[in-house]
Amino acid sequence: AQSVAQPEDQVNVAEGNPLTVKCTYSVSGNPYLFWYVQYPNRGLQFLLKYITGDNLVKGSYGFEAEFNKSQTSFHLKKPSALVSDSALYFCAVRDISYNFNKFYFGSGTKLNVKP
Amino acid sequence: GAGVSQTPSNKVTEKGKYVELRCDPISGHTALYWYRQSLGQGPEFLIYFQGTGAADDSGLPNDRFFAVRPEGSVSTLKIQRTERGDSAVYLCASSPRAGQGTEAFFGQGTRLTVV
Repeated sequence: AQSVAQPEDQVNVAEGNPLTVKCTYSVSGNPYLFWYVQYPNRGLQFLLKYITGDNLVKGSYGFEAEFNKSQTSFHLKKPSALVSDSALYFCAVRDISYNFNKFYFGSGTKLNVKP
Repeated sequence: GAGVSQTPSNKVTEKGKYVELRCDPISGHTALYWYRQSLGQGPEFLIYFQGTGAADDSGLPNDRFFAVRPEGSVSTLKIQRTERGDSAVYLCASSPRAGQGTEAFFGQGTRLTVV
């Protein structure tokens, strides 16, 4: 079965410190992985994706994520957090070997960046 | 350019009534998705259109839910005999094509409240 786990409901970090938001996935075949951010009363905004190639992918607003096949993880990172990064973050996966029509989303992680 | 537009942004309806939620995708996008997001959860897949046809409707919870996309652009999600459990944010997304590595662009959602 296809699924995404975000083990932390909430992550707290001080402004200027590095941040990590964790994501692990389970698919039958090979994954395409995505991160989205959601601000209050807004839709999901695309941040970055891993399709193939370099395991470290860079995206919008200084975010990056590292694909780790052996650990089935795709953690979101940023070297220096900003207060404006405070939002809800969703990891999503597409299983390219099984019904790639669907994005499977995690339950979300609320990131709080304190001044 | 214009993003994905969803109307209305909020809808309050009485239990048992019929509602229609509209999605206007990004111009030229052939793939269109509907997702449902309940409080504290990640988006859950409802239905996927490629052009005018529903290529995958496996996420529709029951036969009270139906969606159409008659001209391959605007889509309408229809819910009959609404129940309080249908209360959620309904998200629409579109993408240029059904390519597996393509990210989806989301609208701001319609918040449906059934009282």
